[in-house]
Amino acid sequence: AQKVTQAQTEISVVEKEDVTLDCVYETRDTTYYLFWYKQPPSGELVFLIRRNSFDEQNEISGRYSWNFQKSTSSFNFTITASQVVDSAVYFCALSEASHDKIIFGKGTRLHILP
Amino acid sequence: DVKVTQSSRYLVKRTGEKVFLECVQDMDHENMFWYRQDPGLGLRLIYFSYDVKMKEKGDIPEGYSVSREKKERFSLILESASTNQTSMYLCASSSAREGPNNEQFFGPGTRLTVL
Repeated sequence: AQKVTQAQTEISVVEKEDVTLDCVYETRDTTYYLFWYKQPPSGELVFLIRRNSFDEQNEISGRYSWNFQKSTSSFNFTITASQVVDSAVYFCALSEASHDKIIFGKGTRLHILP
Repeated sequence: DVKVTQSSRYLVKRTGEKVFLECVQDMDHENMFWYRQDPGLGLRLIYFSYDVKMKEKGDIPEGYSVSREKKERFSLILESASTNQTSMYLCASSSAREGPNNEQFFGPGTRLTVL
């Protein structure tokens, strides 16, 4: 069965600090896809990244970076030099290749304090 | 710009009423999804559809039904609303043409309160 665990329910950091959001997943499939979404206070989920299970290269996009490690079944998300606009709920998600359903973690609420 | 729209941002209904939540996407996506989001529970899949007139149960389908008569429109129906269906409802769509397991695009959500 597939499962996504985001152990951090809520995190607060001061602006300009770096912060890492943890994501651990479970799946029996060898082919699967991992996602991160951002849900700002306005409510609409925004897609951030999709990574397939065969691509373990880390990815950097501006201040955002993702660390995918199959050995520990983790797909962690780091925000460097955080800004107040990064305040949101962040969801990690998993989709197995056998179907198009996405299973979401329960989310991590991130507060960036000015 | 890709767009998923939902008929209402806020809705208040009474117990026992029949409720329709409408979702429309303009991206010609094959797949459409309905989720509910509750504090501490994240997003849970209610129903999804891979094509017109097709529907599949998600993880929590009880008390809900869906309708997909046109490709761009996916409706969620609460046959007899109950207070435990008070929640934020999110619609999403994704493309199947561009390969499997593509990212889903979400609407702004409908916050439903059942009194």
